Amino acid sequence: AQSVTQPDIHITVSEGASLELRCNYSYGATPYLFWYVQSPGQGLQLLLKYFSGDTLVQGIKGFEAEFKRSQSSFNLRKPSVHWSDAAEYFCAVGEGSYKLIFGSGTRLLVRP
Amino acid sequence: EPEVTQTPSHQVTQMGQEVILRCVPISNHLYFYWYRQILGQKVEFLVSFYNNEISEKSEIFDDQFSVERPDGSNFTLKIRSTKLEDSAMYFCASHVMNTEAFFGQGTRLTVV
Repeated sequence: AQSVTQPDIHITVSEGASLELRCNYSYGATPYLFWYVQSPGQGLQLLLKYFSGDTLVQGIKGFEAEFKRSQSSFNLRKPSVHWSDAAEYFCAVGEGSYKLIFGSGTRLLVRP
Repeated sequence: EPEVTQTPSHQVTQMGQEVILRCVPISNHLYFYWYRQILGQKVEFLVSFYNNEISEKSEIFDDQFSVERPDGSNFTLKIRSTKLEDSAMYFCASHVMNTEAFFGQGTRLTVV
């Protein structure tokens, strides 16, 4: 069965520091991969997606992610974090046109 | 920019009562979903809907749950007899073939 693991429940970084959020997936075929962000009490906003092609994908708000098939990973990165990036981040794997399987999320805290 | 709209944003109901959560997906989308997020937990798939029928449902989606697309624009989730453990944020999502899902802002359901 498909699964998504986000090993870090919480991450705290200083404003201006770089960020990497880890995501590992288990999926038999080539997955569709996503990162969503959720601010407190809000819905899910798509940051970026990977369907095929270039394994380094750019998203909104300066985020990028790299698909590494050999490591079954899709880690999210940002070179310089802003205080407004504090939120919960969810990695998800999709089965074609069907459901998304979400990881348990990583809560990002940003120190001033 | 088109968006998925959910109403109400917050619903409080007595245990055992029926509730209907409403969603208006993006107009040209063909695939529709409901997801659930219990407070502090990850987002879980409930059901997918395509071509006027359920495509897939999770173990959570038991006989108490039903979905309907009554008029070609609305997409509803009905819980027949609510339980305390149904308290959660419910997200509607939609997409066209092989694209990312767009999520609504969610309905927070509180069962008392």
